[in-house]
Amino acid sequence: GENVEQHPSTLSVQEGDSAVIKCTYSDSASNYFPWYKQELGKGPQLIIDIRSNVGEKKDQRIAVTLNKTAKHFSLHITETQPEDSAVYFCAALGAAGNKLTFGGGTRVLVKP
Amino acid sequence: NAGVTQTPKFRVLKTGQSMTLLCAQDMNHEYMYWYRQDPGMGLRLIHYSVGEGTTAKGEVPDGYNVSRLKKQNFLLGLESAAPSQTSVYFCASSHKTGGGYTFGSGTRLTVV
Repeated sequence: GENVEQHPSTLSVQEGDSAVIKCTYSDSASNYFPWYKQELGKGPQLIIDIRSNVGEKKDQRIAVTLNKTAKHFSLHITETQPEDSAVYFCAALGAAGNKLTFGGGTRVLVKP
Repeated sequence: NAGVTQTPKFRVLKTGQSMTLLCAQDMNHEYMYWYRQDPGMGLRLIHYSVGEGTTAKGEVPDGYNVSRLKKQNFLLGLESAAPSQTSVYFCASSHKTGGGYTFGSGTRLTVV
């Protein structure tokens, strides 16, 4: 089955700096890659996603890039703000299309 | 539009007791999922369902049972609770066409 590795597990950045989280996946047939943000005491929320026919997608201060050949994808957050502090999860949807495999999560702390 | 609603939000059980967690979604999603999240760990899939009347095992199914008698509801049962089942439980749903999950806000369960 699919295996998703996520790095780093924790990330501390100064407010205004950029943050990058990287994920690798094992199943070359995976075709959908969402990113979730989980704030303390809440359920994960979808923040951005990318499909396998696209190399990059942006939404204001966040962007996701996908390298199908290398089987890795990354989340980029620019001009970080304290409210970006949360746990972020990457995920991959396998060829069967019926369940996501999640990475282990990255705890991001933005220091004011 | 409530999205995914989980009940209860908190529960304390004694070892050996049973309980049912309820997940309800109003988005007409075909797929539904139950995850557990332990401190410092990611999301682990317990069981999932790709349609009314169908269920399948995930990564950590032992000690849990599920039922999907109606499309909008997905029940997670613990027949004989154990301290190892102390966790935060999240329900999620998605369209069968593939795409991101919508998560509920979670149920925090403590087994003493």
